[in-house]
Amino acid sequence: EPEVTQTPSHQVTQMGQEVILRCVPISNHLYFYWYRQILGQKVEFLVSFYNNEISEKSEIFDDQFSVERPDGSNFTLKIRSTKLEDSAMYFCASSGDSSMNTEAFFGQGTRLTVV
Amino acid sequence: ILNVEQSPQSLHVQEGDSTNFTCSFPSSNFYALHWYRWETAKSPEALFVMTLNGDEKKKGQISATLNTKEGYSYLYIKGSQPEDSATYLCARVGNRDDKIIFGKGTRLHILP
Repeated sequence: EPEVTQTPSHQVTQMGQEVILRCVPISNHLYFYWYRQILGQKVEFLVSFYNNEISEKSEIFDDQFSVERPDGSNFTLKIRSTKLEDSAMYFCASSGDSSMNTEAFFGQGTRLTVV
Repeated sequence: ILNVEQSPQSLHVQEGDSTNFTCSFPSSNFYALHWYRWETAKSPEALFVMTLNGDEKKKGQISATLNTKEGYSYLYIKGSQPEDSATYLCARVGNRDDKIIFGKGTRLHILP
């Protein structure tokens, strides 16, 4: 069964450093999403992406965040200058393959720890 | 933006009790309604995908109903267990190949 894969599974970074979280969505999907979950707290929508541009973003997704789909397969989330409060599980998802299946498929997540 | 609203935001339920929560969405241009369960530090799991008005789906002690005319769906949990503690996300699809619009979720805490 096709799946969404994310790398790395765990990333530790120093505050102020840049990180890039990588996702390989399901190949014929059209829509891509990033979510995060701060441990023990609510899930937070970050951004959705379609046709090589951001279609919606939350107030969390400020100038420190960016997304890219550089080669038609990878979908990356970059945080330019990480803060302690960016520590969370980051989940990528994809959907929309023009078939009857409209379900979103999520990756296993990347745990980002900012120290 | 077509908002999907979920209520309540957070809910504490005693183990063994039953509970339900709501998802409301614009009723026009509707294709499908999804429910996902999202446990802490795990990948979300799709519970139900519903498309027809009056749909009812069941999975174990969890069930969901759909009213597309008035734009709402209920999720019911009967006899809640500690493992039911999670965030429950509702999501709406307007067309078959359209993007999914998620609600902000209901955080369910089951108290032992």
